[in-house]
Amino acid sequence: IQLTQSPSSLSASVGDRVTITCRASQGISSYLAWYQQKPGKAPKLLIYAASTLQSGVPSRFSGSGSGADYTLTISSLQPEDFATYYCQQLNRFPRTFGQGTRLEIK
Amino acid sequence: EVQLVQSGAEVKKPGESLRISCKGSGYSFITYWIVWVRQMPGKGLEWMGTVYPGDSDTRYSPSFQGQVTISTDTSSSTAFLQWNSLKASDSAIYYCARRGQWKVGDYYYYGMDVWGQGTTVTVSS
Repeated sequence: IQLTQSPSSLSASVGDRVTITCRASQGISSYLAWYQQKPGKAPKLLIYAASTLQSGVPSRFSGSGSGADYTLTISSLQPEDFATYYCQQLNRFPRTFGQGTRLEIK
Repeated sequence: EVQLVQSGAEVKKPGESLRISCKGSGYSFITYWIVWVRQMPGKGLEWMGTVYPGDSDTRYSPSFQGQVTISTDTSSSTAFLQWNSLKASDSAIYYCARRGQWKVGDYYYYGMDVWGQGTTVTVSS
């Protein structure tokens, strides 16, 4: 299953609302997770089951979607949110990742 | 504290063998799948394969099948990623991660909820 994220990169300001999309090559029944990765660090799980927030993740992060189309939304960007975001499908082996979306400060 | 601690950075020559490790602690190691993820310099995440320590069930991405071997030692709560003959293109950071599992409604869903710190492998002549 191929995952295509858009955009590949995004410039935004603190306080902005941003949305990242992830489209699968076939339906994945909400078996989708989102991760945040900062430079030099391991990825961090933000969301699983397409819309369930992992414990400890701020509520400004939210996920939605179904079938083959999913979104990650950050409601009000904070300085610590500038990072690269990846989606991952966990419906079929191999458990593929999207190519990533780099979120930069405008 | 639940954690995965990986072995240190490695510098190897092409053709050499290598095994890196990932030691789990703070949870029941045998009841969670361990996943290996590659990240080449400046690139994205690639799912390599996974192993269930409880019964050694192992799945590989077709991209990595036959190129690496994933295994575990339950007596030491450690997972391994092994190469028999390294190539320069194997230079990357390798992460291990635990596959968490949660019930949402009637179904179980997954995500990689605990990650190791990464092991940098450099292969150069």
